[in-house]
Amino acid sequence: QKEVEQNSGPLSVPEGAIASLNCTYSDRGSQSFFWYRQYSGKSPELIMFIYSNGDKEDGRFTAQLNKASQYVSLLIRDSQPSDSATYLCAVYSGAGSYQLTFGKGTKLSVIP
Amino acid sequence: KAGVTQTPRYLIKTRGQQVTLSCSPISGHRSVSWYQQTPGQGLQFLFEYFSETQRNKGNFPGRFSGRQFSNSRSEMNVSTLELGDSALYLCASSLLAGTTYEQYFGPGTRLTVT
Repeated sequence: QKEVEQNSGPLSVPEGAIASLNCTYSDRGSQSFFWYRQYSGKSPELIMFIYSNGDKEDGRFTAQLNKASQYVSLLIRDSQPSDSATYLCAVYSGAGSYQLTFGKGTKLSVIP
Repeated sequence: KAGVTQTPRYLIKTRGQQVTLSCSPISGHRSVSWYQQTPGQGLQFLFEYFSETQRNKGNFPGRFSGRQFSNSRSEMNVSTLELGDSALYLCASSLLAGTTYEQYFGPGTRLTVT
């Protein structure tokens, strides 16, 4: 059973701080990794896609992937109240028939 | 560019009935995937279609099926509905171009089984 684990939170950070969200996964053969943001009552939106070890930056977001340690993290710099949402980690893995497995999400609250 | 559309937005069905949900992807996106979201289980992957072929499938019973048409529009069907099928059903369309991946979700269909 492929598992994706996230701390459910809530994670509270002050405005302007760095928010660090972590995700671990069980399937060592996992291929691709995703971070989604979901506001309450809204659909998820893809914010980061990463498949190579190392860091990937997009604006205030940085995804960090370490396949050897089987974790992927998301850093949000200069956190804003509008970043308050649930962040979902997802891992694409399998052999022959791939599937996307989601974590339960971490709720982030940015305090003004 | 128009977003992903899903119809209907809300649906109430009785246990034992079947239901068909529709998803129209963003123009140019040939991949459509379906998800179930519930408070207890979170977001779960149902299946993915690409060029009218099911490419990947999640761990759901055979009562859940889907198809994709030549215009990339997709439908999912749930037969013999159970109370536990009550959920938000989301579809997403995606495009992988080189190392760039874009994916957009529709607004979802809220299914209630009574």
